[in-house]
Amino acid sequence: NAGVTQTPKFRVLKTGQSMTLLCAQDMNHEYMYWYRQDPGMGLRLIHYSVGEGTTAKGEVPDGYNVSRLKKQNFLLGLESAAPSQTSVYFCASSYVSGISYGYTFGSGTRLTVV
Amino acid sequence: ILNVEQSPQSLHVQEGDSTNFTCSFPSSNFYALHWYRWETAKSPEALFVMTLNGDEKKKGRISATLNTKEGYSYLYIKGSQPEDSATYLCALSPLSGGGADGLTFGKGTHLIIQP
Repeated sequence: NAGVTQTPKFRVLKTGQSMTLLCAQDMNHEYMYWYRQDPGMGLRLIHYSVGEGTTAKGEVPDGYNVSRLKKQNFLLGLESAAPSQTSVYFCASSYVSGISYGYTFGSGTRLTVV
Repeated sequence: ILNVEQSPQSLHVQEGDSTNFTCSFPSSNFYALHWYRWETAKSPEALFVMTLNGDEKKKGRISATLNTKEGYSYLYIKGSQPEDSATYLCALSPLSGGGADGLTFGKGTHLIIQP
C-alpha cells in the first residue's frame, strides 16, 4: 500500500523557473493538503482541497497554484520560483473526518531555488 | 490563525526514564487536537486525535491527555527507548467544518533519548 506519494523527492531550480510537484494518494481520501516546512517554523498550510475540482487558499498561498483534477492527485505549481520558496514541501491527505483519523503524509519534496 | 505553542523545544532524556511535554492553545471546547511523531528522514505519523475535554488516549508506552477548557495537551512517554527519538508535533483544528480547513501545527518538541 503506497499511501501518499510525492514526486520529485529533490529538485534544484533557478530563480524564475517553473515546476509542478505531484502528490498522489491511493486511499480514496477526500481531503488533500500542501504544507511547507521551514527551519524554526511549524508546518504551514499553502493550499488545500476538499474534493475533486475544488481548491482553497491556506496560510501562505502567495506564489503557488494548485489543481485537483482527479480525486487521487493534488498538484502544486510554482510559476516563477523565488529563493524564498526554498523549503521542504509535504503533501497530506485525510478522510472527510480527518479530525477523527488524522492525516497521512507523504515523504516530502526538498526544493532549493538558487 | 490559531496559535499553537509547544514546550520545550528540545529535550534530552536518559533511556528508561519517563518524560512529558506540552502543547498549549487558545482555550475552547471546539477543537480537535492531533499529535504526530516525526522521525528524521521520514514523514509525520499520526499518534492520537482527541476532540473531547478530558480525553485520554494511549498507544503502548505513549499516552496523551486533553484539556480544552484551559487550553493544553500533554504527551507522556513511559520508559523512554532510543526508538522514541523524534520530533513530536501538536496540531489543532476547529471542529466546525469537519476539519476540512487544515491543521495548524506547533513547532514541535525534539526528543533525544540517550542510551
